[in-house]
Amino acid sequence: GAVVSQHPSWVICKSGTSVKIECRSLDFQATTMFWYRQFPKQSLMLMATSNEGSKATYEQGVEKDKFLINHASLTLSTLTVTSAHPEDSSFYICSAADSNQETQYFGPGTRLLVL
Amino acid sequence: QKEVEQNSGPLSVPEGAIASLNCTYSDRGSQSFFWYRQYSGKSPELIMSIYSNGDKEDGRFTAQLNKASQYVSLLIRDSQPSDSATYLCAVQFSGGSYIPTFGRGTSLIVHP
Repeated sequence: GAVVSQHPSWVICKSGTSVKIECRSLDFQATTMFWYRQFPKQSLMLMATSNEGSKATYEQGVEKDKFLINHASLTLSTLTVTSAHPEDSSFYICSAADSNQETQYFGPGTRLLVL
Repeated sequence: QKEVEQNSGPLSVPEGAIASLNCTYSDRGSQSFFWYRQYSGKSPELIMSIYSNGDKEDGRFTAQLNKASQYVSLLIRDSQPSDSATYLCAVQFSGGSYIPTFGRGTSLIVHP
């Protein structure tokens, strides 16, 4: 099956710093990748849709200047949490859609803790 | 508002029993349906997809789709403690957007 990786899997940072999370599709090309956030015991929340070569589409309530998304190639999308604060601590998960854009395959997630 | 509804549970079943997980959705024109399993602290993994009315079987898992009644279910036969997880239903609604909407998930506990 399709494999999606994320790096890093864990990150702890000080408040005010920026954190970059990478999402890679390892064995297929993904024109579209998705970024989700999940707080403990809550459902997945779609943050944005990342399209290769164009600007990301953000969901309502998600600050595009705080969560910078870059999808420079068909296998890599990055999410940068700028000026992170403790309330940004969460589980960030990316997914990539296959060529028919019907099935999403999730990365293993990145757990962010902002002190 | 297009919605996907799941009972949050927990659904508790004994080992060896059949676990039945249900999901309803609001958009009658929806075309694609997915079941994901999410272990605590992990990301979701795809179990099955279904697109046509009826049953689709894969090992111990059977997905059932009834578009007229707007529900999709997942049956797990011979449940094992390792099946204990949260099961997420995802629906790809009609109307142009291919981005599926996820339900809140049902927590399943299989006790020995």
